[in-house]
Amino acid sequence: KNEVEQSPQNLTAQEGEFITINCSYSVGISALHWLQQHPGGGIVSLFMLSSGKKKHGRLIATINIQEKHSSLHITASHPRDSAVYICAVKADKLIFGTGTRLQVFP
Amino acid sequence: EAEVAQSPRYKITEKSQAVAFWCDPISGHATLYWYRQILGQGPELLVQFQDESVVDDSQLPKDRFSAERLKGVDSTLKIQPAELGDSAMYLCASRSYNPDTQYFGPGTRLTVL
Repeated sequence: KNEVEQSPQNLTAQEGEFITINCSYSVGISALHWLQQHPGGGIVSLFMLSSGKKKHGRLIATINIQEKHSSLHITASHPRDSAVYICAVKADKLIFGTGTRLQVFP
Repeated sequence: EAEVAQSPRYKITEKSQAVAFWCDPISGHATLYWYRQILGQGPELLVQFQDESVVDDSQLPKDRFSAERLKGVDSTLKIQPAELGDSAMYLCASRSYNPDTQYFGPGTRLTVL
């Protein structure tokens, strides 16, 4: 079993829809990252969380340390949000989930 | 804004050949990572440097992979000989401690034929 599990693996949406991507982990962590990877490989850090909730534009990330679960929400989704979203937890090293591939259609 | 640089962006090679990838981290970042990302999977740590010293290479296939960071700045990852299963994206990242986050380069996509 992977130490970091993401769901769903693939997600398609119509422009404007509210998107939720989930991440569950089984190890003790000091922080959790949400990363965005566009086709071509570049990875951008979206959020680093150790508790609570963070918001940046249309993106919201929450974490529940007791339940070992985090969610990434995208409000009013747009085709440019199409990417792979990766959850990574910071234990003794960074452990990555396998990613959620999001496609938003106009 | 400072970025992590990697080259080449794409590399196609035949199996049994040698390949090398280069990474230049953000200036001042002492910690540098090399990751391998197989298509459809999350990145996997290959090696972590603190300045010029290797602090974690437990997942590096040392029979064919080597990494160095001689002056504690830029780094080179080498594969010799390349095998078909080495086809992947090779990502370099450097770490900021305030805030504590990793900055990724654009990656080198390796295809071994």
